[in-house]
Amino acid sequence: TQLLEQSPQFLSIQEGENLTVYCNSSSVFSSLQWYRQEPGEGPVLLVTVVTGGEVKKLKRLTFQFGDARKDSSLHITAAQPGDTGLYLCAGARETSYDKVIFGPGTSLSVIP
Amino acid sequence: EAQVTQNPRYLITVTGKKLTVTCSQNMNHEYMSWYRQDPGLGLRQIYYSMNVEVTDKGDVPEGYKVSRKEKRNFPLILESPSPNQTSLYFCASSFLGSGSQETQYFGPGTRLLVL
Repeated sequence: TQLLEQSPQFLSIQEGENLTVYCNSSSVFSSLQWYRQEPGEGPVLLVTVVTGGEVKKLKRLTFQFGDARKDSSLHITAAQPGDTGLYLCAGARETSYDKVIFGPGTSLSVIP
Repeated sequence: EAQVTQNPRYLITVTGKKLTVTCSQNMNHEYMSWYRQDPGLGLRQIYYSMNVEVTDKGDVPEGYKVSRKEKRNFPLILESPSPNQTSLYFCASSFLGSGSQETQYFGPGTRLLVL
């Protein structure tokens, strides 16, 4: 049973469009991370959110942690082909990170 | 250059033939972890280590062994590989934090096929 669910599973959009991907759980997480993984490579950390309701911006990417710390969203404005990749959310179930859970990922394809 | 290295990158083997995938990091990280990645399932943690000689099971440890005799190395051992262990494997490392998650740095992955 997946403790972290992501939607959509696949997303194909045109360059310049906006998009939002979601990470949901019935469990509370002490913190949540978003990673991006490109083909043939390991995941690379984009952001960590730790406070319920927290919003962080990274250029055209906006990350939000739900008030109840059970969900998160990633919004991309004016998507570019370089945004193509697999987006993974990862939650720490307790204050320590020895129990990190990854979601199944959202595969994003941005078409020029 | 700070990095996590894994070897081999690709491996084809047969059922029952013991194999080891090596992992090494040069960032003096205390924490190291192994994951497997399968389509639709994301990354699942196999084993992790908080420091030298300290290891613990993740969510899918069956059929795997690890050791942490040195801080920089964390090999993954498959004593008797089976076809259901065909997967993409990632090693990761990070500092030990206090509270929120530290950044995990991932290796490039090892693609394993067990026939």
